[in-house]
Amino acid sequence: DSGVTQTPKHLITATGQRVTLRCSPRSGDLSVYWYQQSLDQGLQFLIQYYNGEERAKGNILERFSAQQFPDLHSELNLSSLELGDSALYFCASSTRDGYEQYFGPGTRLTVT
Amino acid sequence: GEDVEQSLFLSVREGDSSVINCTYTDSSSTYLYWYKQEPGAGLQLLTYIFSNMDMKQDQRLTVLLNKKDKHLSLRIADTQTGDSAIYFCAENGSGGGADGLTFGKGTHLIIQP
Repeated sequence: DSGVTQTPKHLITATGQRVTLRCSPRSGDLSVYWYQQSLDQGLQFLIQYYNGEERAKGNILERFSAQQFPDLHSELNLSSLELGDSALYFCASSTRDGYEQYFGPGTRLTVT
Repeated sequence: GEDVEQSLFLSVREGDSSVINCTYTDSSSTYLYWYKQEPGAGLQLLTYIFSNMDMKQDQRLTVLLNKKDKHLSLRIADTQTGDSAIYFCAENGSGGGADGLTFGKGTHLIIQP
């Protein structure tokens, strides 16, 4: 158990809908990262937050957004969902320097 | 852009050593990582190596880094059935920890009895 929690574990929704994925980092970690894992693209970095502020962006679509709250939990919002958004979404957290990233168990999103 | 390459499959006999290889392109990477993913689970950080090191050993795991050739390997001694998983190589690029990790596609380690 990495100490990073993610909810929900599974999510099934229809095209065009909007969903919110939630992540709680390890106690004391200020950084949160979001990754998408799909069969065709593999594991891709989406976005990073550090202590409430956006710090880095990867291959995140404009339909996706994230935020980190004062209690350091983070939410990833996915809107106007398409079939191709079906994937595993992982959250990771790290200490300030980011050299050790610890991953949560993931949320499996299925868009039908 | 940045790229991390791994072979897709490796099959070894139980008790033998497994060697999983990886090449990367970003020479500015400061850290290189190995993660393990078991079916239906998240990624477990196995080990990582700082780019100015050649080798790191941690119990059954040995990481070798050839920075000149941008080649990283993970050796698992005395491979057991519990080692069956997908192993991902990753690098952190020039942004330190700030830009997220770039992962390879993963190597499926298959253990033969």
